[in-house]
Amino acid sequence: KAGVTQTPRYLIKTRGQQVTLSCSPISGHRSVSWYQQTPGQGLQFLFEYFSETQRNKGNFPGRFSGRQFSNSRSEMNVSTLELGDSALYLCASSLGVGTQPQHFGDGTRLSIL
Amino acid sequence: QQQVKQSPQSLIVQKGGIPIINCAYENTAFDYFPWYQQFPGKGPALLIAIRPDVSEKKEGRFTISFNKSAKQFSLHIMDSQPGDSATYFCAASSNYGGATNKLIFGTGTLLAVQP
Repeated sequence: KAGVTQTPRYLIKTRGQQVTLSCSPISGHRSVSWYQQTPGQGLQFLFEYFSETQRNKGNFPGRFSGRQFSNSRSEMNVSTLELGDSALYLCASSLGVGTQPQHFGDGTRLSIL
Repeated sequence: QQQVKQSPQSLIVQKGGIPIINCAYENTAFDYFPWYQQFPGKGPALLIAIRPDVSEKKEGRFTISFNKSAKQFSLHIMDSQPGDSATYFCAASSNYGGATNKLIFGTGTLLAVQP
């Protein structure tokens, strides 16, 4: 059974640009969550989707947005990139919502120049 | 109150030793406590998880001990091997206020198991 797939694995952008990251959950999983991992702030929750609806959002500016499609695949978008957005962005999937076990992908490493 | 405090920051043990990583929380609404293992260049992998109605759970060489009254939980790795060298994260989640999978993570423990 394939795991969580994130694309691309690496991205280099410049300040002011925007970026879209993609996540394909484990087959049958309907919930997708996104996290940002940095050396300084650790792992921080961005948002959570289930059945194409955002159920929860972390404490990030509005430049960070996401969506989920009918096949449970999800994308997150960051607009007007800042140097501080450099991080590993991780996607996790689970069967449903309600403290369900979550399985992570290997992330997208975003570097802002 | 949403924090999960993890210690130690780093840990070195000899092969066969039993490293212990500790986490503490304040929010009594937390009802799910997983541990994740992360290798460089990889995403966190779910190791083992516990809910507050049990005090201990074992899966292979990994054991979680849970102390509800002290609001603490810990990970023990039995017979540790060099291949266990990784960063370990504790986390917590709560359905209070609505069903969610949102995880609050500890700051991580870098474990090195020397041969």
